[in-house]
Amino acid sequence: GEDVEQSLFLSVREGDSSVINCTYTDSSSTYLYWYKQEPGAGLQLLTYIFSNMDMKQDQRLTVLLNKKDKHLSLRIADTQTGDSAIYFCAESGGSNYKLTFGKGTLLTVNP
Amino acid sequence: DTGVSQDPRHKITKRGQNVTFRCDPISEHNRLYWYRQTLGQGPEFLTYFQNEAQLEKSRLLSDRFSAERPKGSFSTLEIQRTEQGDSAMYLCASSPRQGRGTGELFFGEGSRLTVL
Repeated sequence: GEDVEQSLFLSVREGDSSVINCTYTDSSSTYLYWYKQEPGAGLQLLTYIFSNMDMKQDQRLTVLLNKKDKHLSLRIADTQTGDSAIYFCAESGGSNYKLTFGKGTLLTVNP
Repeated sequence: DTGVSQDPRHKITKRGQNVTFRCDPISEHNRLYWYRQTLGQGPEFLTYFQNEAQLEKSRLLSDRFSAERPKGSFSTLEIQRTEQGDSAMYLCASSPRQGRGTGELFFGEGSRLTVL
């Protein structure tokens, strides 16, 4: 079945890089996503990667995908206090219409 | 604001009462989804509409839950005879039709249900 696993907590100092890791099980996923959820707010798409890519860079964000190991990571460079939030990894599976989410990683950025 | 809107944002009810949540998707999106999120968990899929047709329901959606999208625009999620275990954030999302975009879901801010 579909399952997405990610570490629950990450704490970094402002200015450092943050790396959030995720493993998934469904190799048929066409897209993999990172969503961000700030307190009291809905989920917002941060970035995504197509399954035939190994890496995607978008300003401070770098997504790495290892399809062989079914491992996805999100690197945030120069982490700021405004990056403090819960980050969810999600896979599309083979359905093309619904996502399976991990439990989320709470990123805490200390000044 | 042309994002996904949900109403009410917070509902407190007593066990056994019925509650209804409404979702207005982004206007040009024909797909609409309901997810449920409990504390410390990621969103879990409940059901999915393409236009007015409800195409899939999760096993999480017991017979006390019913969702509708009568005209293919807004949707309602009703929970009958609420139980304390129904307390959660109910998230609505929408997306363009298949073949357009990256499968990204656009989420509303959610309707938080507290059952006393």
